[in-house]
Amino acid sequence: DIQMTQSPSSLSASVGDRVTITCRASQGISNYLAWFQQKPGKAPKSLISAASSLQSGVPSKFSGSGSGTDFTLTISSLQPEDFATYYCQQYYSFPLTFGGGTKVEIK
Amino acid sequence: EVQLVQSGGGLVQPGGSLRLSCAASGFTFSDYWMSWVRQAPGKGLEWVASIKQDGSDKNHVDSVKGRFTISRDNAKNSLYLQMNSLRAEDTAVYYCARSNAGYSWGQGTLVTVSS
Repeated sequence: DIQMTQSPSSLSASVGDRVTITCRASQGISNYLAWFQQKPGKAPKSLISAASSLQSGVPSKFSGSGSGTDFTLTISSLQPEDFATYYCQQYYSFPLTFGGGTKVEIK
Repeated sequence: EVQLVQSGGGLVQPGGSLRLSCAASGFTFSDYWMSWVRQAPGKGLEWVASIKQDGSDKNHVDSVKGRFTISRDNAKNSLYLQMNSLRAEDTAVYYCARSNAGYSWGQGTLVTVSS
């Protein structure tokens, strides 16, 4: 199974900050990497697929990069609505696996 | 607009069965792999199962193999998860998702396994 390791597990940031979350796969997954945002009590929302392709309707402040084993999600200027938990997920092979999540909190 | 509307779920005793449903609209259902993902209370996301466009290929996480079965009916634009021999550790919110990359998600349905 491919293990997905996200870091940090949580972070505190201020409105306007640039935030970067990393995700590392235990083996190469090419660009078969997705990022999701989840707010409490809500379903996850797709942000990025294929490591760097922004989903329709997602603001351009979100960006993704990476290939192989190392990936990043960047939020260029954090806004109040961005405080949430973020997950990465590989869909290169079964079983599909998620990172443990990164909780972004208000400083 | 893409919509995934879930039904089913609820409280069931250990060893019991439930069937979850997911009705799709706003996209060509038969063009996509479909998946089930769950989230135990206060925990992260866990993939449960996926099914190919025509139903010919199915994959399940090891912890549910032999107990859960994913299926689909393309004529009804619907996805299903049959859950048998339920255990306390299956307690979670279950989500259906479009594709293995999770392009869009259902609203979630809570399954509670308890006596």
